[in-house]
Amino acid sequence: KAGVTQTPRYLIKTRGQQVTLSCSPISGHRSVSWYQQTPGQGLQFLFEYFSETQRNKGNFPGRFSGRQFSNSRSEMNVSTLELGDSALYLCASSFQGATEAFFGQGTRLTVV
Amino acid sequence: QKEVEQNSGPLSVPEGAIASLNCTYSDRGSQSFFWYRQYSGKSPELIMFIYSNGDKEDGRFTAQLNKASQYVSLLIRDSQPSDSATYLCAGGGSNYKLTFGKGTLLTVNP
Repeated sequence: KAGVTQTPRYLIKTRGQQVTLSCSPISGHRSVSWYQQTPGQGLQFLFEYFSETQRNKGNFPGRFSGRQFSNSRSEMNVSTLELGDSALYLCASSFQGATEAFFGQGTRLTVV
Repeated sequence: QKEVEQNSGPLSVPEGAIASLNCTYSDRGSQSFFWYRQYSGKSPELIMFIYSNGDKEDGRFTAQLNKASQYVSLLIRDSQPSDSATYLCAGGGSNYKLTFGKGTLLTVNP
């Protein structure tokens, strides 16, 4: 059974640019959550999607957005990148949000 | 702010010993609790989950939950060097998100 797949694995972007990250959940999982991980703040919740609906959003600026498609694949977008957006972005899939969640390998974003 | 707090560590134990990792949470609405292991440079891996008060055992791992005290713990018996990692505690509730602690770095010395 395939796990959670995130693409790309690594990204280097310049301040002011935008970026789109992709996540394919485990087959049968309809909930996809996104987290930002930094050394100082740990894992911070960005948002959760279930059946194409955003059910919860974390305390991040509007530059961070996401969506989910009918096949449960999800994307997150960060616009007008700032240096502080450099982080590991993790996607987790589960049958329902806040149940057993399995993480992808993450996308390491570096903003220069 | 609903938080999950973990003993800060780092924690160092000799090979074969019991490692004890602790976590407290502030949200009484949390219904489910999870322990993740994260190796350096890797993503978190789910190793245990617990929903009910009491103990849950899986191999060398035992998770303990006390909802009255808002306390969750993970015991690792017969610790191995391969258990050296950061352990993350997370709580989940009706708001569809997991709230993570900052993690405890465990080192098992051969």
